[in-house]
Amino acid sequence: ETVMTQSPATLSVSPGETGTLSCRASQSIGSKLAWYQQKPGQAPRLLIYGASVRATRVPDGFSGSGSGTEFTLTISSLQSEDFAVYYCQQYNDWPLTFGGGTKVEMK
Amino acid sequence: EVQLVQSGAEVKKPGESLKISCEGGGYSFTNYWIAWVRQMPEKGLEWVGSIYPGDSHTTYSPSFQGQVTISADRSINTAYLQWHSLKASDTAMYYCAKRQCSGWYCTVGGFDSWGQGTLVTVSS
Repeated sequence: ETVMTQSPATLSVSPGETGTLSCRASQSIGSKLAWYQQKPGQAPRLLIYGASVRATRVPDGFSGSGSGTEFTLTISSLQSEDFAVYYCQQYNDWPLTFGGGTKVEMK
Repeated sequence: EVQLVQSGAEVKKPGESLKISCEGGGYSFTNYWIAWVRQMPEKGLEWVGSIYPGDSHTTYSPSFQGQVTISADRSINTAYLQWHSLKASDTAMYYCAKRQCSGWYCTVGGFDSWGQGTLVTVSS
């Protein structure tokens, strides 16, 4: 099983600043990584797939990078609606696995 | 517009059975994998398993294998998650989610559409 580890668990950022979230895979997954955003009381929303491709209607302030075992989600100029929990997920092999999540909170 | 509509919240006792549903609309239901994802209270996302409605092939997380059953009825575009004997530890929100790419050998993309979630509470 590919274990996904996200850091930090909580990221405190001021509005307008840039947030950088990390995700590490226990083995190489190529670029088969997705990022999701989840706000309280809502279902997750796909942001990024293929490690760096923005999903439909995702603002260009969200960008993903990385391959192999190290991945990054960057949120530029954080807006109030961007404060949420973010999860990475690998789809390189079964079982599909998610990271534990990073909560982005307002500083 | 793609939509996944899940059945409503359930309150059950330990040992009872339960089947929750997820109806897909706005796309070719048989051609896209559907997954079930668990979220325990204040916790992260866990993949339970997936089904390909085209042939009802299923795959499960080892953590859930034997504990739940995933099925689908192509005639009504609906996927199901079923328990035969619930435990208190099954208390969680359960989401269904559609895989982004089509076909049995889909290997690209994550889950691009999600249901609204079904809250399952198991308590004596």
